[in-house]
Amino acid sequence: NAGVTQTPKFRILKIGQSMTLQCTQDMNHNYMYWYRQDPGMGLKLIYYSVGAGITDKGEVPNGYNVSRSTTEDFPLRLELAAPSQTSVYFCASNRDRDYEQYFGPGTRLTVT
Amino acid sequence: RKEVEQDPGPFNVPEGATVAFNCTYSNSASQSFFWYRQDCRKEPKLLMSVYSSGNEDGRFTAQLNRASQYISLLIRDSKLSDSATYLCVVIISTGNQFYFGTGTSLTVIP
Repeated sequence: NAGVTQTPKFRILKIGQSMTLQCTQDMNHNYMYWYRQDPGMGLKLIYYSVGAGITDKGEVPNGYNVSRSTTEDFPLRLELAAPSQTSVYFCASNRDRDYEQYFGPGTRLTVT
Repeated sequence: RKEVEQDPGPFNVPEGATVAFNCTYSNSASQSFFWYRQDCRKEPKLLMSVYSSGNEDGRFTAQLNRASQYISLLIRDSKLSDSATYLCVVIISTGNQFYFGTGTSLTVIP
């Protein structure tokens, strides 16, 4: 049982490039989330999903897109990367809304 | 106004000390509460849920005060391994989101 896995662990992008951050969970969780964490700051929710085919915006969705075609996978797409998107990105999942969220190890992204 | 506010610290305490963190939340419809722990450059992990009657897990005690809209975490007999950032989390009854505080940094000194 791997839990929540994320790839890549690190990435450097040039301004204007695009990329997809991958997230997979093997716990059959319905809910999945994407957060970003800037240095010294708390986690800010980008997007979340309550099940396959259903996604919704969080607090900071601009510049990102998501899809949820399966229960296991919840990729995050960055289009036209900007320096303001330099951050650590965490994917998380839980069985239901009020239950513990399990986090992946994070992706450290730098946009220069 | 932020949904969740915490004193960022840092708290620097000697081994064996007792330390307490508070966290305030702004939405009275908040219904679920948690403390997470985050080690440097790692992902957050659940430390404990917070129940209305208060709850204890070994050296850790969590309390909820709905009237004043705050939750607290008490750590007794601090260990070096307790050094981390502690994140307060609330869920609002009308939504699907976890709201994280910015975290309180704790360093336990030998």
